[in-house]
Amino acid sequence: GAGVSQSPRYKVAKRGQDVALRCDPISGHVSLFWYQQALGQGPEFLTYFQNEAQLDKSGLPSDRFFAERPEGSVSTLKIQRTQQEDSAVYLCASSVGTANYGYTFGSGTRLTVV
Amino acid sequence: GDSVTQMEGPVTLSEEAFLTINCTYTATGYPSLFWYVQYPGEGLQLLLKATKADDKGSNKGFEATYRKETTSFHLEKGSVQVSDSAVYFCALSGDYKLSFGAGTTVTVRA
Repeated sequence: GAGVSQSPRYKVAKRGQDVALRCDPISGHVSLFWYQQALGQGPEFLTYFQNEAQLDKSGLPSDRFFAERPEGSVSTLKIQRTQQEDSAVYLCASSVGTANYGYTFGSGTRLTVV
Repeated sequence: GDSVTQMEGPVTLSEEAFLTINCTYTATGYPSLFWYVQYPGEGLQLLLKATKADDKGSNKGFEATYRKETTSFHLEKGSVQVSDSAVYFCALSGDYKLSFGAGTTVTVRA
């Protein structure tokens, strides 16, 4: 597609519920990134894929967070047993290469845990 | 680790005023520097970038110069418009990932 597509746009989850957030990157972009943006803050790095390989997951805040990109295109960020502190906007970005090439960000998924 | 500190907002200006948003960074090596903008209801967009010292990035009337000696990348625009109202993020990259500042909210009044 023309841009990075994320779904759902908004998600309300009850505490303890599992959620799955989807990212459809720009076709042909080998690099895919997930960021977490808390209210009033800048985005924080979560994880990085190059094609289907997850090369860096150092930013995932706990083992409740899991990301995958099995065929090197669509990616899913899964959060198990959601907690209130997980409430944030989750941004996906893709790029033809490294950050120097410029990322294209999706509009994000706003997760609210109640 | 790498980090970015940018001027706290919010900043409120009148149309045609001069805008400066300060940004300083801490990094090992020679990072690339970026300004991203987030308009209301939209995703992050790359505004401009500079990949080495003394480079000047420019776009849509905005400019920023990579100053290695002061570890700074201040954003400037000579005459702002209402349509420039947005949140501006300074960011750096040493490799494949971006480190962002906290963002500065700019509101331009007609």
